[in-house]
Amino acid sequence: EPEVTQTPSHQVTQMGQEVILRCVPISNHLYFYWYRQILGQKVEFLVSFYNNEISEKSEIFDDQFSVERPDGSNFTLKIRSTKLEDSAMYFCASSRGNEQYFGPGTRLTVT
Amino acid sequence: DAKTTQPPSMDCAEGRAANLPCNHSTISGNEYVYWYRQIHSQGPQYIIHGLKNNETNEMASLIITEDRKSSTLILPHATLRDTAVYYCIVRVAGAGGTSYGKLTFGQGTILTVHP
Repeated sequence: EPEVTQTPSHQVTQMGQEVILRCVPISNHLYFYWYRQILGQKVEFLVSFYNNEISEKSEIFDDQFSVERPDGSNFTLKIRSTKLEDSAMYFCASSRGNEQYFGPGTRLTVT
Repeated sequence: DAKTTQPPSMDCAEGRAANLPCNHSTISGNEYVYWYRQIHSQGPQYIIHGLKNNETNEMASLIITEDRKSSTLILPHATLRDTAVYYCIVRVAGAGGTSYGKLTFGQGTILTVHP
């Protein structure tokens, strides 16, 4: 069964560094999403992406964040200058419409 | 999207049916009810969704009341692996009844299945 994959599974970075989180969505899906979950808190929507552009973003998704689909398979989330409060699990999801399928997540730890 | 209310936690014995309730009294006519679950810190997993008719798939059944103000997710024979946080999410549908937008997660119900 096709699934969403994410790399790396765990990323440790220093405050102020740039990180890129990678996702490979399910191949025939057209809608892509990033969510994050700070430890012990709710899953929060960050951004949705369709037809090579952002379709919706939350107030969390500020100028420090960007997304890209550099080729036909990858979907990336970049954080330009990480802060301590960016430490969280980051989940990628993809969809053809209706149900969204989530990846296993990348645990980002900012020190 | 309409707000949902779920009990914070529930217990269920292994092999018995788990019935998880959700209130969504402000749901609109074009909003669907979705259920997801999250096992430990894994990515959320889609379970089922519906508009007004009851739905069943290989994982669960979804019962929506006639006035659509509440619903119940039923896991017919719960196993220890069903221990998870279960989220009831109301989500607007676009043209043709398809939803593309974000999922708004609440705190969900922590379901513990015990032997």
